[in-house]
Amino acid sequence: GQNIDQPTEMTATEGAIVQINCTYQTSGFNGLFWYQQHAGEAPTFLSYNVLDGLEEKGRFSSFLSRSKGYSYLLLKELQMKDSASYLCAVSRNTNAGKSTFGDGTTLTVKP
Amino acid sequence: NAGVTQTPKFQVLKTGQSMTLQCAQDMNHEYMSWYRQDPGMGLRLIHYSVGAGITDQGEVPNGYNVSRSTTEDFPLRLLSAAPSQTSVYFCASSPRTGYEQYFGPGTRLTVT
Repeated sequence: GQNIDQPTEMTATEGAIVQINCTYQTSGFNGLFWYQQHAGEAPTFLSYNVLDGLEEKGRFSSFLSRSKGYSYLLLKELQMKDSASYLCAVSRNTNAGKSTFGDGTTLTVKP
Repeated sequence: NAGVTQTPKFQVLKTGQSMTLQCAQDMNHEYMSWYRQDPGMGLRLIHYSVGAGITDQGEVPNGYNVSRSTTEDFPLRLLSAAPSQTSVYFCASSPRTGYEQYFGPGTRLTVT
């Protein structure tokens, strides 16, 4: 089976940096996704890590350590619009559509 | 491109009723999936398909059927609705050679 853990809630201040952690235990692993989901909307893709290391994409970066079963999403220069739920998901093969999701971390950005 | 579309947006059913949630994509993606999302939780995979004519079960398939007669369409059928199936249902598609999933806007289903 698969077990994915993320903090339930986090709060940060506008302009600051926040790190959202995700740990996983899986029977197989191909890659790890991060999605953003605003309240009442569909998830949107943020990043995908297959190899160990840091992937940077603008204000967002994602890190993966396969040996530790650990990932984090780093959000820099926080904006109010970054208030959303952030979902960590693991795929066991190359089919992204067969992913297992964590319960998500609700991030609130305060002025 | 319209992307991934889902109908209806909202639906209320009585226990025991059946219905079909529609999902279509116009990106020629091979992979399509159905997820449900309960309040405060992540997405759980119901069924998925790797191409026309091929479907398989996800984590929570009981009470649901799917078929994939064309690349574009992937309907989800609720056989006999139960209150436990009250949820938001998302359809998603992804290309075989890529890894990004594109999600539809969701169907909010209430079973009374």
